[in-house]
Amino acid sequence: EIVLTQSPGTLSLSPGERATLSCRASQSITTIYLGWYQQKPGQAPRLLIYGASSRATGIPDRFSGSGSGTDFTLTISRLEPEDFAVYYCQHYGNSPPTFGQGTKVEIK
Amino acid sequence: EVQLVESGGGLVQPGRSLRLSCAASGFAFDDYAMHWVRQGPGKGLEWVSGISWRSDNIGYADSVKGRFTISRDNAKNSLYLQMNSLRAEDTAFYYCARSGCYSDCAFDIWGQGTMVTVSS
Repeated sequence: EIVLTQSPGTLSLSPGERATLSCRASQSITTIYLGWYQQKPGQAPRLLIYGASSRATGIPDRFSGSGSGTDFTLTISRLEPEDFAVYYCQHYGNSPPTFGQGTKVEIK
Repeated sequence: EVQLVESGGGLVQPGRSLRLSCAASGFAFDDYAMHWVRQGPGKGLEWVSGISWRSDNIGYADSVKGRFTISRDNAKNSLYLQMNSLRAEDTAFYYCARSGCYSDCAFDIWGQGTMVTVSS
């Protein structure tokens, strides 16, 4: 089972700032099997990024994903008020699919 | 509109059973693999089980193996999770989610979830 470790646990930023979230895998993974999800309070998760860098349908271009091997990054170029949420990375390349523990992006 | 709607959650005593359902609409259900993902109170996401479109590939998390059974009825556009021998640690929101393939695809649509509380 691949373990995903996200950092930081909490990111305190202001609207308009850049957010950089990290996801580290316990072993090298194929980039096409890495995704990022956003979850707001009381809501279901929403797919943002798949294949490490491809935006899902309807996702604004301020969201971008990058990385390879064991280190992956989600970047939000300029935080909008609706972007304050919890973000999870996921590996879905084999069974079981695994999620990171999440990074909360909160308003500073 | 593409939609997944879960039902069947509730309060149940430890050791008892519960069956969750997920009704799909707005897409060709039998073109997609389906999954159950849960989230304990204040916790992160945990994959529970997945099933391929033809039900020929099925997987479970170790934490539920032997107690939970996933199934689907493509004629009814429905996904199910039979949960037996429930434990307090199974208390969580349970989401159904679809993926374009069984093991190599992201979960692109999620339902709103149904809450399961296991308590005496």
